[in-house]
Amino acid sequence: DGGITQSPKYLFRKEGQNVTLSCEQNLNHDAMYWYRQDPGQGLRLIYYSQIVNDFQKGDIAEGYSVSREKKESFPLTVTSAQKNPTAFYLCASSFSGDTEAFFGQGTRLTVV
Amino acid sequence: AQSVTQPDIHITVSEGASLELRCNYSYGATPYLFWYVQSPGQGLQLLLKYFSGDTLVQGIKGFEAEFKRSQSSFNLRKPSVHWSDAAEYFCAVGAQNQFYFGTGTSLTVIP
Repeated sequence: DGGITQSPKYLFRKEGQNVTLSCEQNLNHDAMYWYRQDPGQGLRLIYYSQIVNDFQKGDIAEGYSVSREKKESFPLTVTSAQKNPTAFYLCASSFSGDTEAFFGQGTRLTVV
Repeated sequence: AQSVTQPDIHITVSEGASLELRCNYSYGATPYLFWYVQSPGQGLQLLLKYFSGDTLVQGIKGFEAEFKRSQSSFNLRKPSVHWSDAAEYFCAVGAQNQFYFGTGTSLTVIP
């Protein structure tokens, strides 16, 4: 089945540690996105990538990093520089930035 | 700058009643418009989309939406709500290789 897979579903991190969230898609989509979701704030764009080996910062990129070495994969690293990382993280992909986006099931990150 | 406004944070309707969720956008040209639904702890599922053509679009689960250029609106409607429709609904605009989301409307359905 085609789709987007995010792993893990739940993730716990100690303060000061970096952690990487996985996002894999087999939809042959060129574009991939990372969003952060907090209650009452909707979805805020962290990073997006339109093509392999290229990505752009979104509205809240500080404290996050990404890579796009393969078309299918767009991992997100939450670094220790992110002051308030506890949130629900959503990965999405699309054929382009103007066609519909398809979403993974999300990763809930909790800092303990 | 592009923006999406969903003025209703929370709506409560009775099962079987009609539903309308409001969405207004700000964009210089005609954007691509989407409605998504999210169940708790899950990802977003596409309900419907508007790219061009007929301004009334049909989606899954009995939802429809109407694009009104003069009002910069793309409201979501359903004639008869089911208890399973309780969820968070997001309106989104696709423009300049990005998606811009509203803050969402939470729908509660009472028996």
